[in-house]
Amino acid sequence: DSGVTQTPKHLITATGQRVTLRCSPRSGDLSVYWYQQSLDQGLQFLIQYYNGEERAKGNILERFSAQQFPDLHSELNLSSLELGDSALYFCASSVVGGGAVETQYFGPGTRLLVL
Amino acid sequence: DAKTTQPNSMESNEEEPVHLPCNHSTISGTDYIHWYRQLPSQGPEYVIHGLTSNVNNRMASLAIAEDRKSSTLILHRATLRDAAVYYCILKNSGGSNYKLTFGKGTLLTVNP
Repeated sequence: DSGVTQTPKHLITATGQRVTLRCSPRSGDLSVYWYQQSLDQGLQFLIQYYNGEERAKGNILERFSAQQFPDLHSELNLSSLELGDSALYFCASSVVGGGAVETQYFGPGTRLLVL
Repeated sequence: DAKTTQPNSMESNEEEPVHLPCNHSTISGTDYIHWYRQLPSQGPEYVIHGLTSNVNNRMASLAIAEDRKSSTLILHRATLRDAAVYYCILKNSGGSNYKLTFGKGTLLTVNP
């Protein structure tokens, strides 16, 4: 158990809909990262938040957005969903959010299926 | 980001050592070598990291070549629970230090 929790575990929805994925980082960790894992693209970095502020963006679509709240939990919002958005979405956390030696701790993921 | 190259798959027998190779010929002097693994239906988990010297922890050992252009993750006695995809990742303190860039990794199969 990494100490990172994600809800829900599974999500099935229809094209065009909007969903929210939730992540609670390990106690004391200030940074949250979101990754998407699909069969054809592998694990891809989406976005990072540090202490409530966006720190870095990766391959995140404009239809996707995220935020980190004062209690440090984070939400990833996916809107106008398409079939290709079906994937596993992982959240990770780290103490600070940078540096060459810092470890990221991953949650169990949310499996999203768009029908 | 500097690129790493790993074999697509490897096979091992239970209770035997496993050596998982990684090539990173374009590694820079400030790049740390990290290994993560992803067990079936789970999120990635940290295994080990190093810069120049060989490293040991309770999970594995990391052997780094003298020129740092390659490294090897060593599982001393593979168990069935070690069956996973193993990722070799370079991370530095530069501008892109915030993320992990995953390649395709090596799928390790452990035979009973």
